[in-house]
Amino acid sequence: QSALTQPPSASGTPGQRVTISCSGTRSNIGNNYVYWFQQFPGTAPKLLIYRNSQRPSGVPDRFSGSKSGTSASLSISGLRTEDEAVYYCATWDDSMSARFGGGTKLTVL
Amino acid sequence: DVQVVESGGDLVRPGGSLRLSCTDSEFSLTNYNVNWVRQAPGKGLEWVAYISLTGAVIYYADSVKGRFTISRDTVKKSISLQMNSLRVDDTALYYCTRDLDGGWHFGYWGQGTLVDVSS
Repeated sequence: QSALTQPPSASGTPGQRVTISCSGTRSNIGNNYVYWFQQFPGTAPKLLIYRNSQRPSGVPDRFSGSKSGTSASLSISGLRTEDEAVYYCATWDDSMSARFGGGTKLTVL
Repeated sequence: DVQVVESGGDLVRPGGSLRLSCTDSEFSLTNYNVNWVRQAPGKGLEWVAYISLTGAVIYYADSVKGRFTISRDTVKKSISLQMNSLRVDDTALYYCTRDLDGGWHFGYWGQGTLVDVSS
C-alpha cells in the first residue's frame, strides 16, 4: 500500500480539464515538495511537475500542479488523446524516504 | 538532452548478488544527486536509494536497507547499486534518475535495467 493515495483511474474527453489528486500526511506532502510524473506503457517515467507547481523545460503549460495542506493535485487542461498515460505523484517524507503514489491511469475517451 | 544509462541487470538466483551501474551522456553525475527507483512488472514506482552529489548523504528504502549499497565512482563518473541477498520480490526494472539543475530530484530517467530474481 502506497504512502500517497491516488485514484486508480481518471477519464476525460478531448478538450476537457482533468484533475488527479494525491493525498498524504503532514510528514510527507505537508512538509515537503511534490513531484508529478507521466509514464506511457513500456517507457520510463517523465518529470512533469517539481516543487509542487513548476514545470521543467519542454512540458506544456496545459499541465499544472498545486498543493494545499496534505494534498496535491495535477491538472491537465485541453485534454488530448496523447495524454493517455499513468500519472504518479511523489514526495519525500520527514524520515528521508521518497514516497510515490500508486499511480492514476488516465483514459481519454 | 541528457541521457541517463543504466546497466548490469540480469537473471539471478534468490540470495545472489548483482551490481548495477548508472552514467549519463554528459559524464556529469558527480555534479548531481542521484536516486534509484524500481518498478516491478505491472506495478507502480518504488523509490530504492539516494546518494548526494558529494556522496556524503545516503538514504535507503526500508525494503532494501542492509542489503543494497549505493556508491559513487568518481573516476568512472558513475553511480553503482550493489545488491546483495536478493529476493524474488526485488524483481523489477531499476531506473537511475538524476536531478535537474537546482537540485530538484527525479529530473532525468534512464530506460531502466531489468533485474530478475528467480530460481
